[in-house]
Amino acid sequence: GDSVTQMEGPVTLSEEAFLTINCTYTATGYPSLFWYVQYPGEGLQLLLKATKADDKGSNKGFEATYRKETTSFHLEKGSVQVSDSAVYFCALSGPGYSSASKIIFGSGTRLSIRP
Amino acid sequence: GAVVSQHPSRVICKSGTSVKIECRSLDFQATTMFWYRQFPKQSLMLMATSNEGSKATYEQGVEKDKFLINHASLTLSTLTVTSAHPEDSSFYICSASLIAGGPLKGNEQFFGPGTRLTVL
Repeated sequence: GDSVTQMEGPVTLSEEAFLTINCTYTATGYPSLFWYVQYPGEGLQLLLKATKADDKGSNKGFEATYRKETTSFHLEKGSVQVSDSAVYFCALSGPGYSSASKIIFGSGTRLSIRP
Repeated sequence: GAVVSQHPSRVICKSGTSVKIECRSLDFQATTMFWYRQFPKQSLMLMATSNEGSKATYEQGVEKDKFLINHASLTLSTLTVTSAHPEDSSFYICSASLIAGGPLKGNEQFFGPGTRLTVL
């Protein structure tokens, strides 16, 4: 079945460092890919998404590119801030995504940023 | 906008009792709501999909008689853990899908903050 694998945390970085969180997936066809973020005490929020190969999702300085050839959707940010400390989840949904589609999540990566 | 609430946020109960968890979409209507379970340091596992006015669809391995789901209105879904046991202790999260056509984004699920269940 479909699945998502992301790098284990926790990841600890200094402020203004470059961030990469790796994510690879297994799926039939062309899934839609997502990154969700969960801040302490809050629900998951959609950070960015890409629905077809070579699409780049971006938001709040974060970026991820849908790579069909490597089945990857790595999350990157050029300069992290303390406020980026959270748990990040890579996820996928089947082709033809709608808000009523099932989402399959990775295990989450906890990110801590030191001032 | 697009806020989903869960109640209670935390509950402790005795083994053998039943616990009800509510999931509400506060400022939008949702035809579909999802229930997830999250174990420590693990991913969210989809338990069931509930559609307003119809029976929930459960994922393989989830006991429908143990985890009763009711989606009685476009803004409320409930999960009842019946005859709870310590192994049911977990973090339960719901999400709601926005009906397209409103003022908010129409192709996204919105997640509640979760409910921590501890069964003694």
